[in-house]
Amino acid sequence: DTEVTQTPKHLVMGMTNKKSLKCEQHMGHRAMYWYKQKAKKPPELMFVYSYEKLSINESVPSRFSPECPNSSLLNLHLHALQPEDSALYLCASSQELPTGGGYTFGSGTRLTVV
Amino acid sequence: SQQGEEDPQALSIQEGENATMNCSYKTSINNLQWYRQNSGRGLVHLILIRSNEREKHSGRLRVTLDTSKKSSSLLITASRAADTASYFCATDGASYDKVIFGPGTSLSVIP
Repeated sequence: DTEVTQTPKHLVMGMTNKKSLKCEQHMGHRAMYWYKQKAKKPPELMFVYSYEKLSINESVPSRFSPECPNSSLLNLHLHALQPEDSALYLCASSQELPTGGGYTFGSGTRLTVV
Repeated sequence: SQQGEEDPQALSIQEGENATMNCSYKTSINNLQWYRQNSGRGLVHLILIRSNEREKHSGRLRVTLDTSKKSSSLLITASRAADTASYFCATDGASYDKVIFGPGTSLSVIP
């Protein structure tokens, strides 16, 4: 299995809702990442997990809360989002840190905050 | 910021022509990667070149790296309509622990 699976593919949520994005990989990768991408822009790094521990938080607002329950799974919990948080959220994994190899990306979750 | 800059921002060519995209970056790197993204989907890893390498090939792709100029180029030979996508370079910086993407080049290959 050489895939990163993200669910759901699309999500519409109100500003008072709580929702979660899910990311799963079974490649034995020990580093996992969340990126946010706005239209016609490059992906922006949000969080890095290494061996299930949060390694980097790129000053992301607390309304985004990551969680890594095990080595295969990465969640992003969303609460009280703003319309400007609407974007494509991408999960990626790599063998481990340091980043000696390429990333495998999921297809993303298209999030719309209304 | 270690984020690279890509040139051109947009490129339109005829099928069969070669496409060249350039990437510049600011800090020292351990490796540089190129990714392709089709229309709002996930990114696909194309090729990784390490800082001690100067050139790398993969099928119709050729990547060069000039660490003295802090720049890289991606050449796609004999382009196809299916190559239409956004192409991003990404660098890891000296700390190894994260990969930052450049602004990307939007490539259109016209059949």
